[in-house]
Amino acid sequence: DAEITQSPRHKITETGRQVTLACHQTWNHNNMFWYRQDLGHGLRLIHYSYGVQDTNKGEVSDGYSVSRSNTEDLPLTLESAASSQTSVYFCASSYTRDRGLNEQFFGPGTRLTVL
Amino acid sequence: KQEVTQIPAALSVPEGENLVLNCSFTDSAIYNLQWFRQDPGKGLTSLLLIQSSQREQTSGRLNASLDKSSGRSTLYIAASQPGDSATYLCAASTGSEKLVFGKGTKLTVNP
Repeated sequence: DAEITQSPRHKITETGRQVTLACHQTWNHNNMFWYRQDLGHGLRLIHYSYGVQDTNKGEVSDGYSVSRSNTEDLPLTLESAASSQTSVYFCASSYTRDRGLNEQFFGPGTRLTVL
Repeated sequence: KQEVTQIPAALSVPEGENLVLNCSFTDSAIYNLQWFRQDPGKGLTSLLLIQSSQREQTSGRLNASLDKSSGRSTLYIAASQPGDSATYLCAASTGSEKLVFGKGTKLTVNP
């Protein structure tokens, strides 16, 4: 069955370190998204990609970067981790056809703690 | 800018009750609206997607409706069960493949 996986599922790191969160999907979806979920804020979009070599900033992109070298993967990098980036991170994907049918599917999430 | 609101933030009901969860959005120019379920510590599971041209969508005990003119969607859960306890999120698709999420309604169904 097609799926979307994230690794690691839990990560503890220190302030200032570079961290990369992996996202891999086997749906062959062209669109991929990264969100963070925080109490009181809900889900907020960090970065997204419409296809290979395409990346775009979301509403909370400062301090994060992504790159898309193939269809299946969209790794999220925290350049210099800050305590404010402690959060749960979700990856999602969708397929562009009729825009009314672009259902998004989510991964299980990565819980990141920055000390 | 699209904004999505879900009220109430939390809801507690006895088992067997029929209930309605509400979702409102500010910009009626949506392509679809999705309802998700999230269990504690888990990812989001897609429940229903209603296209902008549709009025409602059904899956088992769940029925979602969409009224673009009033900027509202509702998720109706029939004969609620303790296993329905979760946080329910709605999200509006604005046509750029992106979703704008509400903050969710935490549902507790008491045995």
